[in-house]
Amino acid sequence: DAGITQSPRHKVTETGTPVTLRCHQTENHRYMYWYRQDPGHGLRLIHYSYGVKDTDKGEVSDGYSVSRSKTEDFLLTLESATSSQTSVYFCATYREANTGELFFGEGSRLTVL
Amino acid sequence: GIQVEQSPPDLILQEGANSTLRCNFSDSVNNLQWFHQNPWGQLINLFYIPSGTKQNGRLSATTVATERYSLLYISSSQTTDSGVYFCAVESSGNFNKFYFGSGTKLNVKP
Repeated sequence: DAGITQSPRHKVTETGTPVTLRCHQTENHRYMYWYRQDPGHGLRLIHYSYGVKDTDKGEVSDGYSVSRSKTEDFLLTLESATSSQTSVYFCATYREANTGELFFGEGSRLTVL
Repeated sequence: GIQVEQSPPDLILQEGANSTLRCNFSDSVNNLQWFHQNPWGQLINLFYIPSGTKQNGRLSATTVATERYSLLYISSSQTTDSGVYFCAVESSGNFNKFYFGSGTKLNVKP
């Protein structure tokens, strides 16, 4: 368990509004990730971070931005939410040492009306 | 990026039966992991297995890196094994970026 908490866990919003999802970890892991999960697609990488202020794009980064000002927090922002961004969003961290495992938060369900 | 394909997409088993789930990938990998997503949506890491074979109770996994596939074996299945199984890979050319297959949805009936 990597002590990952996501907030909010559920959110309903309207098209065109900004939304920020927060991921907080307590294990001091360097790598953090944001994924979205949609039926038939598994988990797709949106953005990831390899340190404070160091981020990079994943497979489906259009319409999303991220920020990491502290090791423990990784924020995902939808500047202007669209209905196609309705999804379940998962944050993950990577334990580089030993077994190199990914650990996931409990997910944030976002509905854009 | 690397392509990850899982089969079968859906699987229905009677309790007590055995099953094999497959993960094929299109490039050499540094890291491969198997996950179970339970019916409540929680993702649990089952195995870290970039090569070789590992066992944990009724579950075991084998990765043949040279042939670019991994297998997850579930023996004597139980209803609590139901959920979706994902494999995730980190390609050798793209460090620390993990790509997932679409998953195998398993339903174990009592």
